[in-house]
Amino acid sequence: NAGVTQTPKFQVLKTGQSMTLQCAQDMNHEYMSWYRQDPGMGLRLIHYSVGAGITDQGEVPNGYNVSRSTTEDFPLRLLSAAPSQTSVYFCASSRQGTAEAFFGQGTRLTVV
Amino acid sequence: AQRVTQPEKLLSVFKGAPVELKCNYSYSGSPELFWYVQYSRQRLQLLLRHISRESIKGFTADLNKGETSFHLKKPFAQEEDSAMYYCALRNSGYSTLTFGKGTMLLVSP
Repeated sequence: NAGVTQTPKFQVLKTGQSMTLQCAQDMNHEYMSWYRQDPGMGLRLIHYSVGAGITDQGEVPNGYNVSRSTTEDFPLRLLSAAPSQTSVYFCASSRQGTAEAFFGQGTRLTVV
Repeated sequence: AQRVTQPEKLLSVFKGAPVELKCNYSYSGSPELFWYVQYSRQRLQLLLRHISRESIKGFTADLNKGETSFHLKKPFAQEEDSAMYYCALRNSGYSTLTFGKGTMLLVSP
């Protein structure tokens, strides 16, 4: 009963490096989303997808890319990491028609 | 634009005391509101949603459209309630959420 699985749990990057945060869900949910969590800022939506092949920007999309080739997977790419991207990243999935979101365990990213 | 406001960053109470975590929202239309809880270093999990009008772990929340509020209440706080609580509003027409900045609840023995 995995739900939403994120990898890795922790990552340290140097400024300018690229990486991909992985997210997979096994609930056949149409919607998948990425949020970043920062102290005093709550969670902010980065990108989301309403289904395979369809993605759109959220509140804070700059510096991030996403794609959705399958219903199950929704990776988040940092093309050139910056210290401002130091954060905890949460992936979530939800069924279309409801905003009740199921979250992954988070990825704690530090950019030095 | 829709917005969720949680005015308190930190709420500290003693065990057995009543708790009220405040949430106000700005939204044109019929809102769909949630409370999520995050225990230390764990994933967020749904606590309550206003449409189900349920009580989970002794917590309740009532939507007040006149005051645009969705405050979370519990009559007697327990130490295990210590966590970060987020109020969230469904984004219009989508299955994504706008979150408040969160309130840390600390319950002391």
